[in-house]
Amino acid sequence: GQQLNQSPQSMFIQEGEDVSMNCTSSSIFNTWLWYKQDPGEGPVLLIALYKAGELTSNGRLTAQFGITRKDSFLNISASIPSDVGIYFCAGSHSGNTGKLIFGQGTTLQVKP
Amino acid sequence: NAGVTQTPKFRVLKTGQSMTLLCAQDMNHEYMYWYRQDPGMGLRLIHYSVGEGTTAKGEVPDGYNVSRLKKQNFLLGLESAAPSQTSVYFCASSYTGRSSYEQYFGPGTRLTVT
Repeated sequence: GQQLNQSPQSMFIQEGEDVSMNCTSSSIFNTWLWYKQDPGEGPVLLIALYKAGELTSNGRLTAQFGITRKDSFLNISASIPSDVGIYFCAGSHSGNTGKLIFGQGTTLQVKP
Repeated sequence: NAGVTQTPKFRVLKTGQSMTLLCAQDMNHEYMYWYRQDPGMGLRLIHYSVGEGTTAKGEVPDGYNVSRLKKQNFLLGLESAAPSQTSVYFCASSYTGRSSYEQYFGPGTRLTVT
């Protein structure tokens, strides 16, 4: 089935550093979202993107909907220990049925 | 508001046994979803519902059945559990339309099938 490729698979960074991760697809998506999962919990929505080229921020997080509609990017500035977790991209083709395809996740660890 | 709740939190089954996972939401959401999460594979949609009394297949529906008799509840059933169904199961809910992608997840149920 359809797959989203996230990279990197994992990151280990120093507190205060900036982080970048991305997600690519072999087909076009009309919606891109980024979720974060803390250990032992369900994912929580961070940012939703609905238009190609859109750049949206949520505090220290900034995400972009790629112009080609086949990719999306998430940046975290000035990382802090509570940024630790798994970050998932998710995409949808259309239809507003809520059907999402998730990437395999990027695991972020932050060293104080 | 409790949000999305799931019961049980943990369960161990033997191959061939059956069980039902319960999901409840108190946000008056129209849409509900069941996902499974396996290591290194992200979340995959099992079944979903766009309203009371309706269900539809997702990406990996085989071996599972669902029911949505009440708007606030979405049940996931395993009729004859197999080791390949060992996973963490998440329920989610959302509003309709474009907001259907902005999903609220429960805490998960960790299922082991031996």
